[in-house]
Amino acid sequence: AQSVTQLGSHVSVSEGALVLLRCNYSSSVPPYLFWYVQYPNQGLQLLLKYTTGATLVKGINGFEAEFKKSETSFHLTKPSAHMSDAAEYFCAVTPNTNAGKSTFGDGTTLTVKP
Amino acid sequence: ETGVTQSPTHLIKTRGQQVTLRCSSQSGHNTVSWYQQALGQGPQFIFQYYREEENGRGNFPPRFSGLQFPNYSSELNVNALELDDSALYLCASSRDTTNTEAFFGQGTRLTVV
Repeated sequence: AQSVTQLGSHVSVSEGALVLLRCNYSSSVPPYLFWYVQYPNQGLQLLLKYTTGATLVKGINGFEAEFKKSETSFHLTKPSAHMSDAAEYFCAVTPNTNAGKSTFGDGTTLTVKP
Repeated sequence: ETGVTQSPTHLIKTRGQQVTLRCSSQSGHNTVSWYQQALGQGPQFIFQYYREEENGRGNFPPRFSGLQFPNYSSELNVNALELDDSALYLCASSRDTTNTEAFFGQGTRLTVV
């Protein structure tokens, strides 16, 4: 069984500051990991994913995440926050390549202050 | 480009009623997954359909059922609605069951009163 814990249901940063959203996972097999963004009244959009290979993954809109097996973490970062980054972010895990069967965390709401 | 469309976008039902939600998957995708997202929570996997057959189910009671049609569009049916069924229902389509990308629709907001 898999599970995801997102530390911090709300994160607030100033525009231009570093964004760090935390995700820890539990999986009995090598995981596939995803970050999604959800804007109000919209569905989920894939930001980036880790499958195999390079542990530092770059995604859209300047986001990146690093898979750390020893820490069972997949934290999402962006060097400089933009007002348009304000949204809800979800980390998800699957035990195999079937992304449609993901287990999601409860999400982190990112607020960006001017 | 997601190409996944869901209908309706919003609806209100009374406790005990039945509801059908619809999802049109992206062109070329034969796999559809349904999720329930309660307020303040992450999406929870309900079930997945692959080539018209159920391919896995989450921890939801049998009154949650689904269908997938030959054109790979899908329906989610919920019988005997309860207040706790109020949520955003998301549909996601994938090229197949081995694909690491799932494309989500905008969801159907169901309110049970």
